[in-house]
Amino acid sequence: GAVVSQHPSWVICKSGTSVKIECRSLDFQATTMFWYRQFPKQSLMLMATSNEGSKATYEQGVEKDKFLINHASLTLSTLTVTSAHPEDSSFYICSANPGLAGGGRLPGWNEQFFGPGTRLTVL
Amino acid sequence: KNQVEQSPQSLIILEGKNCTLQCNYTVSPFSNLRWYKQDTGRGPVSLTIMTFSENTKSNGRYTATLDADTKQSSLHITASQLSDSASYICVVNLYSSASKIIFGSGTRLSIRP
Repeated sequence: GAVVSQHPSWVICKSGTSVKIECRSLDFQATTMFWYRQFPKQSLMLMATSNEGSKATYEQGVEKDKFLINHASLTLSTLTVTSAHPEDSSFYICSANPGLAGGGRLPGWNEQFFGPGTRLTVL
Repeated sequence: KNQVEQSPQSLIILEGKNCTLQCNYTVSPFSNLRWYKQDTGRGPVSLTIMTFSENTKSNGRYTATLDADTKQSSLHITASQLSDSASYICVVNLYSSASKIIFGSGTRLSIRP
């Protein structure tokens, strides 16, 4: 249980193009989804937190107009990197939190379950 | 300031040997502490979770300990295998909220044959 998928697993794009990354909770509903960025040999850095049906909350220093987040359902969130540049090349990881979506404090209710990540390379 | 510090930053051991990774935290209010394993190019996978009242938690060859008084945790790996090569990340939750977590910088473990 508690499986989170990301698509694509890797993407290469030209500078100036936009790239969309999907994050899905496969076997549970997620009240909240999180997006992280990880540079080589560094820890995960939280970019934004999104709740289904509402606007995402971005961390300080993260451009909301560049990193568009849509959380249209309890099982899907998307991150769109607009007008990507080489400095946006990174490993993007999402996580999903069940919260109380299952109807109560079920096991794992306050845990973040991580996706496998998406490697973005901007040429 | 809420912080999670891990040591060592990196570690190389021979296959079959044991090792212990350390995590010190200054986080308040503390809810729980998790150890994750992150293989290169993959997302983190949870190994153990401990709340304030738990001292130790095992998951196969992985044993985590928690001393809430000294605010220290350790992850002990027994009889290491090549597949244990990964980064191990200590993560502390505040307020029993999934949104309030502090990541350690991780320990990069390499197992040599």
